[in-house]
Amino acid sequence: EIVLTQSPTTMAAYPGEKVTLTCRASSSVSYMHWYQHRSGTSPKLWIYETSTLASGVPDRFSGSGSGTSYSLTINSMETEDAATYYCQQGSSDPFTFGSGTKLEIK
Amino acid sequence: EVQLVETGGGLVQPGRSLKLSCVASGFTFNNYWMSWTRQAPGKGLEWVASITKSGGSTYYPDSVKGRFTISRDNAQNTLYLHMNSLRSEDTATYYCTGGVYTYYGYNSPLFDYWGQGVMVTVSS
Repeated sequence: EIVLTQSPTTMAAYPGEKVTLTCRASSSVSYMHWYQHRSGTSPKLWIYETSTLASGVPDRFSGSGSGTSYSLTINSMETEDAATYYCQQGSSDPFTFGSGTKLEIK
Repeated sequence: EVQLVETGGGLVQPGRSLKLSCVASGFTFNNYWMSWTRQAPGKGLEWVASITKSGGSTYYPDSVKGRFTISRDNAQNTLYLHMNSLRSEDTATYYCTGGVYTYYGYNSPLFDYWGQGVMVTVSS
């Protein structure tokens, strides 16, 4: 089973600040997907195939990475970006999620 | 508008069974892999089961393999999850999800569409 480790577990950022969330895989994967989960709502697909933004996702978000190291970056943090972000791999069954990074606004 | 509406959740005793249903609308159901994903209270997301477009293949993590069965009725645009031998650690919000990702001919679930979720509580 491929274990995904996300860091940090929790963080807070000021409006306008650049934010980078990291996801490390225990074995190499071909791509990574990311999901945003705001409290009280259902999760949403946010970034797929490592770097492609899902429909409606603001372009201040970006994704990158390869092999065992992937990241999600917000160029300029906004209030509405406060949420928990999960990475997920589909390269190998079982299809695992990371434990999430909770991002808060300062 | 895509809609996934889950039903069937509730309180169930350990060792008993429960069946979840998910009715889909707003997209061509039989063109999509369908899956169930869950979130236990205070925990992260966990993939539970996936089924291919035709229903010919199913996938499960070890945590539910042999206890849970995913199935679909493409004529009724409905997805099911039969859960047997339920344990307290199965307590969670269960989400019906839809989507498939293809990479060099290899298909895997992509959780593109999400339902609102249904709560399952396993307790005596």
